[in-house]
This record gives sequence, C-alpha cells and structure tokens, in this order.
Amino acid sequence: DSGVTQTPKHLITATGQRVTLRCSPRSGDLSVYWYQQSLDQGLQFLIHYYNGEERAKGNILERFSAQQFPDLHSELNLSSLELGDSALYFCASSVGPRENGELFFGEGSRLTVL
Amino acid sequence: DAKTTQPTSMDCAEGRAANLPCNHSTISGNEYVYWYRQIHSQGPQYIIHGLKNNETNEMASLIITEDRKSSTLILPHATLRDTAVYYCIARTWVGQFYFGTGTSLTVIP
Repeated sequence: DSGVTQTPKHLITATGQRVTLRCSPRSGDLSVYWYQQSLDQGLQFLIHYYNGEERAKGNILERFSAQQFPDLHSELNLSSLELGDSALYFCASSVGPRENGELFFGEGSRLTVL
Repeated sequence: DAKTTQPTSMDCAEGRAANLPCNHSTISGNEYVYWYRQIHSQGPQYIIHGLKNNETNEMASLIITEDRKSSTLILPHATLRDTAVYYCIARTWVGQFYFGTGTSLTVIP
C-alpha cells in the first residue's frame, strides 16, 4: 500500500459526459501529479500541483482540468469525454519538487468511455 | 529536460541477473535517474534512483556511467515476479518525472 488513494477505481460513462477523479496523497506529501496511461502505452504526464499551486503542465487537453485543495487532496476533471479518453489515470504524490525522494503512485482510476 | 531511451523488450532466464540499459545522453548535471516498474496495470513501483554514484538497495543495483549519459538497472537474481515494464526516468530539477514507454522484461522459467 503506497498510501495514495484514488477514487473511483472504475468508471464507465458515455461520450460527451463529465467525470471527476479524486486523489488523496500520502500523509505529509505536498506534491500531487496526474498521469494518463492509454492501452499499452507509457505514462503521459498531465499536471503537477505543489501545496495548492500548479507547478507544471504536460500533455493535458483543454477539456481536462485539475486542482489541489487546502487539505492537499486533488481532483482531475475530464469533460466532453471522447472515446479516446478511455485510459488509466494515475495520481502520484511526493514530499515536494525540491526533495529528491520518489513518487508514490495510487492504484489508478480506470475510465471507460462508451 | 532529459529524455531517456530504452529497448522495447528483453528476456531473462529465471535466477540470472537482468541488466536493463537506459540512455540519457542529454541529462543535466542536477537531474537524477530514477527507475520504476509496473506490473500489469498496477500503479508504478519505485525501484531505485541515483545521481552520479552507483546505488544498491534490497531490490536492485543502479550503475551510472561516469559521463552520466547512460545507466543500467541490475536485478541480481530475476524471478518470475520481476516480469514487468521497467521505466527509466530523468527527474528534472523542478521535480518533474517524465516516463517513456519503458522496457518490457519477461523472466523465463
């Protein structure tokens, strides 16, 4: 158990809909990262938050948005869903961007868009 | 930001050492090399990381060349449970971890 909690574990929805994925980082971790993994692909970095502020953006679509709340949990919002958005979405946390520690990953949220 | 390249796939006999190479020729002096692995579709698991010196822990050893342009992850006695996708990552100095497509390691009985 990495200590990172993601909900829901599985989600099935239709095209055009909107979903929210939630992540609770490990206790004490201030950084939260979101990654997308499509079928048989590597992990694509989406976005990084540190202590409530956005630190870096990767290949995140404009239809997607994220935020980190004062209690440090984070949410990834996916809207106007398309079939190609079906993927595993991973959240990871770390102490902070300047620390040379590792990322701890959750078990992911599997999104299926029909 | 440094980019890493790895072979797409490798096989290793059970009980033998698995040596997984990684090229990171554009790595900066302050970028660490990290290794993770992913078993099936589980969350990636941290293995080891290093900057310049070779590192060893209970899971693996990391050998970084003197010019830091490449590294090798060594699993000393591979087991069937080591079958996974292994990712080599150059962590940027601002804390970004960019994963590539990794090496799919198959440990053969």
